[in-house]
Amino acid sequence: DGGITQSPKYLFRKEGQNVTLSCEQNLNHDAMYWYRQDPGQGLRLIYYSQIVNDFQKGDIAEGYSVSREKKESFPLTVTSAQKNPTAFYLCASSLVAGGNNEQFFGPGTRLTVL
Amino acid sequence: AQTVTQSQPEMSVQEAETVTLSCTYDTSESDYYLFWYKQPPSRQMILVIRQEAYKQQNATENRFSVNFQKAAKSFSLKISDSQLGDAAMYFCAYAVSGTYKYIFGTGTRLKVLA
Repeated sequence: DGGITQSPKYLFRKEGQNVTLSCEQNLNHDAMYWYRQDPGQGLRLIYYSQIVNDFQKGDIAEGYSVSREKKESFPLTVTSAQKNPTAFYLCASSLVAGGNNEQFFGPGTRLTVL
Repeated sequence: AQTVTQSQPEMSVQEAETVTLSCTYDTSESDYYLFWYKQPPSRQMILVIRQEAYKQQNATENRFSVNFQKAAKSFSLKISDSQLGDAAMYFCAYAVSGTYKYIFGTGTRLKVLA
């Protein structure tokens, strides 16, 4: 079955550590996205990528980094520079980047900083 | 600035009844798309329905329909014959045609009462 997988489902981090969240899709989509979800807020865009080896900052990119070395993979690293990283992180993909293209979402990763 | 507002943090509906979730948006664009996404307790976002701004006809998907009022910038979701499985967070989202960015509202939590 085609879809998006995210791992791990739950992640715990000590302050000062970098952690990497995995996102893989087998939908053959060109575009991929990372969102952060906090209680009482909508989804906020961290980074997006329209094509392999290209990515752009979203609204809240500070303290995060990404790579897009393969079409199917778009890992997100939460660095120690992110001051409040505890949140739910959602990865999404679409056929191409564009508002008329449905975004498909993964099941998410809950990150907790201890 | 482009914004999406969901003024109802929480709604309740009796099983088999009809409920309407509200969404308003602010934009100066003429070519855009509107979406309703459902986020059940599993946290995976699922597209419920999509509306193209250039279409006057309201979108319908089985028990789900929208009331799209372009001049009023309103995009409400009607759920008919509500089922227990409809209980979830519902997010309204907006995207300009040809751009990468979705803008999400803060969500409405729908409770379905047996």
